[in-house]
Amino acid sequence: SQTIHQWPATLVQPVGSPLSLECTVEGTSNPNLYWYRQAAGRGLQLLFYSVGIGQISSEVPQNLSASRPQDRQFILSSKKLLLSDSGFYLCAWSVQRGYTGELFFGEGSRLTVL
Amino acid sequence: SQQGEEDPQALSIQEGENATMNCSYKTSINNLQWYRQNSGRGLVHLILIRSNEREKHSGRLRVTLDTSKKSSSLLITASRAADTASYFCATDDAYNQGGKLIFGQGTELSVKP
Repeated sequence: SQTIHQWPATLVQPVGSPLSLECTVEGTSNPNLYWYRQAAGRGLQLLFYSVGIGQISSEVPQNLSASRPQDRQFILSSKKLLLSDSGFYLCAWSVQRGYTGELFFGEGSRLTVL
Repeated sequence: SQQGEEDPQALSIQEGENATMNCSYKTSINNLQWYRQNSGRGLVHLILIRSNEREKHSGRLRVTLDTSKKSSSLLITASRAADTASYFCATDDAYNQGGKLIFGQGTELSVKP
């Protein structure tokens, strides 16, 4: 069966510090991978999605970046965090098809920037 | 860009009542999906309805889709306290085969025992 792991679950970082959130998927190959951010009490904002190794689509210009160094690994990074980067970050994967099917989400990483 | 918009933003009902949530979207789609999120957790997929379908059932869930109005509704029948959660609709883009899925702002459902 397929599983998705996302870590760390919680982190508190000072403004200007770097960030690395990691997501790995097991039990499937060549998945679509996604990073979403959710502000408190709000919907999900799509940040990045990837249909293959090294293929990253950015949806929102910001100081975040994403990388996919391996087929089932998706990393969200920042060189210098801003206060506005605080939020709940969710990684997800889906099966590659001609259309976007069901997304399977990780348990999220809650980031607080102070 | 925002694709799905849900209403109401919040809904409070008694156990046993039905809950209806609506979603509107802007572009042509291949499918529309509904997800549930318990507080502080990841989202869980509930149901997917294709653009050529008008209604779909899964247990106590009933989803309708009206592509002419670009809208969908999620009905939860005989609600339970355990149904308390946020519910989101999500749509793809029929003209973008790149796997993108856009979520709405969600409806926060509270079911009181």
